[in-house]
Amino acid sequence: KNQVEQSPQSLIILEGKNCTLQCNYTVSPFSNLRWYKQDTGRGPVSLTIMTFSENTKSNGRYTATLDADTKQSSLHITASQLSDSASYICVVRGGADGLTFGKGTHLIIQP
Amino acid sequence: EADIYQTPRYLVIGTGKKITLECSQTMGHDKMYWYQQDPGMELHLIHYSYGVNSTEKGDLSSESTVSRIRTEHFPLTLESARPSHTSQYLCASSRGQGSSYEQYFGPGTRLTVT
Repeated sequence: KNQVEQSPQSLIILEGKNCTLQCNYTVSPFSNLRWYKQDTGRGPVSLTIMTFSENTKSNGRYTATLDADTKQSSLHITASQLSDSASYICVVRGGADGLTFGKGTHLIIQP
Repeated sequence: EADIYQTPRYLVIGTGKKITLECSQTMGHDKMYWYQQDPGMELHLIHYSYGVNSTEKGDLSSESTVSRIRTEHFPLTLESARPSHTSQYLCASSRGQGSSYEQYFGPGTRLTVT
């Protein structure tokens, strides 16, 4: 069964600090992996998409990595801001049109 | 910000009532989706549509129904609401069927059935 596991489940860090969120998947065959940011009471918004041949991709203070061999991805947030407080969801597309969602990491940035 | 809208944003309703959750997008996207999301849990696909007059059930069994009479409109209906239907419902759309196309999500409807 295709699965996406995210860790940690929740994380609290101080403003200005860096953090890394993890995503492990068993989806096969692999097509791509997206990281979404979901603010409280809002729908998810895409941060970045990773394909099989990409190892690293940055979007401002967000940097995603992908290791297709070990089926792992990470999202690194640099110099965190209060507005980074949200849930971060890893979504893997595999097969013809299937998406598998992780449960997300709930990130809280404290001043 | 994506041009996809959901109404109502919040709904509290009694058991047995019929409800319709509205979803509209102005991006001209062919594909539209409904997801159900419980707190701290992953999104589950309950319905999707490839275009007008096309609707399919998703991975998660749902007692709801959908229709797609117009490209921009994809309403979800519950004929008789039950407390087990309490959840957040997210509507999304995407431009095409290719694997790289991003899904754009609406703000969601938080439904509480008492």
